Amino acid sequence: GDSVTQTEGQVTVSESKSLIINCTYSATSIAYPNLFWYVRYPGEGLQLLLKVITAGQKGSSRGFEATYNKETTSFHLQKASVQESDSAVYYCALRDMGYKLTFGTGTSLLVDP
Amino acid sequence: EAAVTQSPRNKVTVTGGNVTLSCRQTNSHNYMYWYRQDTGHGLRLIHYSYGAGNLQIGDVPDGYKATRTTQEDFFLLLELASPSQTSLYFCASSDSQNQDTQYFGPGTRLLVL
Repeated sequence: GDSVTQTEGQVTVSESKSLIINCTYSATSIAYPNLFWYVRYPGEGLQLLLKVITAGQKGSSRGFEATYNKETTSFHLQKASVQESDSAVYYCALRDMGYKLTFGTGTSLLVDP
Repeated sequence: EAAVTQSPRNKVTVTGGNVTLSCRQTNSHNYMYWYRQDTGHGLRLIHYSYGAGNLQIGDVPDGYKATRTTQEDFFLLLELASPSQTSLYFCASSDSQNQDTQYFGPGTRLLVL
């Protein structure tokens, strides 16, 4: 079946430093699934941060970026300068042909002020 | 923006107990979902529905029932709760015309003693 791998369970970054959260994927039904980053702030539900549906394209939102790399089957999340308010749990996800989203295990980001 | 609410936000029960988790969405979305989130796992789909009276089985349905009474309301039932069902439960909804974006509730934390 489909799978999404996030290798870091927790990441700590100092405020104003750069961030990268790794995500790799595997889809069984189609070659190029839709890819997403969702974010969950403390006490809230998940919300869509950004999505990319075309291989090779980049998505961006709130200073975050992620590029759909079909060669390495990766969709890493990056930000040049994090803020304390970015502290949250970030989930990589994919959707193939149907309704279902497949999520990674999540990466908890803690930004030190 | 889509609004999804869940109740209760926290619940403690004993093994063998009967628990009902409630979810309401107010944006006339067709699809509603129940997930569980556990450490080391991504969100895992328990049940979903594409309309009132409809129920579909997800990836981890054992020990759970669900019922969609109206377009707005989706319930998750644990009739004989077990400690393995201790988890964080999320409800979500989406529109059939935009399956990429799911709107999540804030979650219900369930502890089964």
